[in-house]
Amino acid sequence: DVKVTQSSRYLVKRTGEKVFLECVQDMDHENMFWYRQDPGLGLRLIYFSYDVKMKEKGDIPEGYSVSREKKERFSLILESASTNQTSMYLCASSIRGRNQPQHFGDGTRLSIL
Amino acid sequence: ILNVEQSPQSLHVQEGDSTNFTCSFPSSNFYALHWYRWETAKSPEALFVMTLNGDEKKKGQISATLNTKEGYSYLYIKGSQPEDSATYLCAFKSGANNLFFGTGTRLTVIP
Repeated sequence: DVKVTQSSRYLVKRTGEKVFLECVQDMDHENMFWYRQDPGLGLRLIYFSYDVKMKEKGDIPEGYSVSREKKERFSLILESASTNQTSMYLCASSIRGRNQPQHFGDGTRLSIL
Repeated sequence: ILNVEQSPQSLHVQEGDSTNFTCSFPSSNFYALHWYRWETAKSPEALFVMTLNGDEKKKGQISATLNTKEGYSYLYIKGSQPEDSATYLCAFKSGANNLFFGTGTRLTVIP
């Protein structure tokens, strides 16, 4: 089974801090994704990556950056955390291809105080 | 951002009832339609990926149909069980690699 592991289930940080959310997958998937989920809204894509060192902006990239130095690891960085970045963050991975589902981690519930 | 709508938002059914929900999506530039099941405190789990108009897929007591020309998909659960309680998400892919998610249907099956 595919395993997507996010480094923390719960995280509390302060406004202005630089925050790192880590995601690791163990199935050699090319594609990796970062989403956030807020009440009343569907999952929204922040950034994605098709390969090592490649990154593409999703629908809501402002205030975030990402890093993919190794195929199995995709990091989401909040450069200077703000209260409106309090959210549930989900990482996902998939094989390249039209019919391929995404495999999700358990999520990180991030609170910015 | 593409508009993907799911209805109803939430649903309570009795154990043993059958139920269905709807996902509506743009009918142009269709590439794929995904269904996921998200149980509380767990990760979303893929149910189906559908790509062809008229596709029907089945997994146990859960099945889904797809109409790409009119832009909708139905998810059916036959004989709901309490363990079917979850939020069911659909997501539309339009040819780029991004998935656009609906807000989900939250199903509660009452024993």
